[in-house]
Amino acid sequence: GQSLEQPSEVTAVEGAIVQINCTYQTSGFYGLSWYQQHDGGAPTFLSYNALDGLEETGRFSSFLSRSDSYGYLLLQELQMKDSASYFCASTGGFKTIFGAGTRLFVKA
Amino acid sequence: DAGVIQSPRHEVTEMGQEVTLRCKPISGHNSLFWYRQTMMRGLELLIYFNNNVPIDDSGMPEDRFSAKMPNASFSTLKIQPSEPRDSAVYFCASSLDAGGGSYGYTFGSGTRLTVV
Repeated sequence: GQSLEQPSEVTAVEGAIVQINCTYQTSGFYGLSWYQQHDGGAPTFLSYNALDGLEETGRFSSFLSRSDSYGYLLLQELQMKDSASYFCASTGGFKTIFGAGTRLFVKA
Repeated sequence: DAGVIQSPRHEVTEMGQEVTLRCKPISGHNSLFWYRQTMMRGLELLIYFNNNVPIDDSGMPEDRFSAKMPNASFSTLKIQPSEPRDSAVYFCASSLDAGGGSYGYTFGSGTRLTVV
């Protein structure tokens, strides 16, 4: 089976750095993805890690440790528009399962 | 490309009625997924198709749910008869890669279904 755990909420101030952690249990694990979803919107793809290490895309970075079944999303220079829900998603056996999501609140 | 197109955006129906949700994936994407999102259960994978063939429907909650993909540019999710507990946002997503990979999934805007 597959399961993912991530914190339900995180609060940070504008301009700060925040890290959202995700641990997973996935049979036939291929990789870990991150998605952003604003209220009332659709999930949008942010990043994908198949190998250990850090992937950087602008202000966002994502990390994976396969040996620890652990990954995180790092958001730098937080902006108000980053307030949203962030989902980690694990892919295994040609199936992608989403975590419950972390709601990020960015305060001025 | 216009992205993944879903219709209708909102649907309100009475319990017992048939509901049909529609999806047009991105041209060239060979994988299509139907997800359901609720506050209680989050994003649940209902079914996915690869090259128009249903590969895994283990997430379909009951026989009341059925999905088809008659061609590469169209899919439907049908609920018959509908029940209040089916109320949710239903997303269709498509991808070049069944696992998403470095391309990820592209989601449609969703259909917000309310069964009263």
